[in-house]
Amino acid sequence: EIVMTQSPATLSVSPGERATLSCRASQSVSSNLAWYQQKPGQAPRLLIYGASTRATGIPARFSGSGSGTEFTLTISSLQSEDFAVYYCQQYNNWPRTFGPGTKVDIK
Amino acid sequence: EVQLVESGGGLVQPGGSLRLSCAASGFTFSSYWMSWVRQAPGKGLEWVANIKQDGSEKYYVDSVKGRFTISRDNAKNSLYLQMNSLRAEDTAVYYCARDPTNYDSSYMDVWGKGTTVTVSS
Repeated sequence: EIVMTQSPATLSVSPGERATLSCRASQSVSSNLAWYQQKPGQAPRLLIYGASTRATGIPARFSGSGSGTEFTLTISSLQSEDFAVYYCQQYNNWPRTFGPGTKVDIK
Repeated sequence: EVQLVESGGGLVQPGGSLRLSCAASGFTFSSYWMSWVRQAPGKGLEWVANIKQDGSEKYYVDSVKGRFTISRDNAKNSLYLQMNSLRAEDTAVYYCARDPTNYDSSYMDVWGKGTTVTVSS
């Protein structure tokens, strides 16, 4: 099973600032990597798939990059609605596995 | 509007059973693989099971194999998860989700709001 790790566990950012979240896979997952956003009491929402393709309706301030074992989610200018937990997920190998999440909170 | 609505959660004793349902609308349900994903209280996400469009292939995470059964009824646009021999560690919010790729391992592009399962005496 591929183990996903995320860093940092918590990221404190001021509104309008840039946020950079990292995700690492224990072995290569090619570009088969997705990012999700989850707010308290809500279901996850797909942000990015294929490591860098934004899902339908996702604002351009969200961008993904990376391949192999190292991936990054960047939020270019944080809005109030972006404070949430972000999960990465690999789907290159069965079973698909998630990272533990990065919580983005207000500084 | 594309929508998934789960139901069937509740409080059950250890060793008991529960059947979750997921009603799909707004898309051609029979064209998609479907998954169940769970989230224990205060924890991260864990994929549980998925099923192919025609039900001919089913996959499970090791921790539920032999206890949970995923199924679907394309005529009713519905997905199910039969959970037997429930344990305390199965306590979680269970989400129904759509797999948009045609592979057994995928990301998930549409999620329901979830239904809560609590296993406790």
